[in-house]
Amino acid sequence: DAGITQSPRHKVTETGTPVTLRCHQTENHRYMYWYRQDPGHGLRLIHYSYGVKDTDKGEVSDGYSVSRSKTEDFLLTLESATSSQTSVYFCAISESVTGRLYGYTFGSGTRLTVV
Amino acid sequence: DQQVKQNSPSLSVQEGRISILNCDYTNSMFDYFLWYKKYPAEGPTFLISISSIKDKNEDGRFTVFLNKSAKHLSLHIVPSQPGDSAVYFCAASTGNQFYFGTGTSLTVIP
Repeated sequence: DAGITQSPRHKVTETGTPVTLRCHQTENHRYMYWYRQDPGHGLRLIHYSYGVKDTDKGEVSDGYSVSRSKTEDFLLTLESATSSQTSVYFCAISESVTGRLYGYTFGSGTRLTVV
Repeated sequence: DQQVKQNSPSLSVQEGRISILNCDYTNSMFDYFLWYKKYPAEGPTFLISISSIKDKNEDGRFTVFLNKSAKHLSLHIVPSQPGDSAVYFCAASTGNQFYFGTGTSLTVIP
């Protein structure tokens, strides 16, 4: 979707290095989410944000941190990447909690490989 | 532990016939249910939703059925078209989190 972009689209990194993934939106939506998709697990919520500087943990938050200093940007950081964090990462946005009924808008994903 | 399950990893259907995708959940506190469609190398896109106060929601060729007593959700696509070939995820929500199933890959054969 044009309203949400993720960068980079692909990244290969070494174990133990820090990695930051960026999600940028132009929709001025309040809610932003980071998910990871893995075979056999579907999509799992890592962290989410309900406003600038307001974030909370999701289902699989260990090893990840997030920051949201501006409405349009939501950053996901792997402080010290591990092979178990090899995954496809999706960012999603929602205008309000009614995203629960009307769905989120997802980005195209970032494929991260930790070697 | 997987709270939302899609037990069929794949499904093949002839064009024009009905596709039925199934989803089971364990948490009786879920109050919203959604279906997403995902093409390769793209993010999931929202398809249709239903709240727990309803048992059916229809949108064009897509109908979602909810059976709360059985904790079962299904998506019907009629008639199926080749462009419907994708991975379909069901998702269930309580509070601020969605829980996704593992997906069913639908192939519609022309």
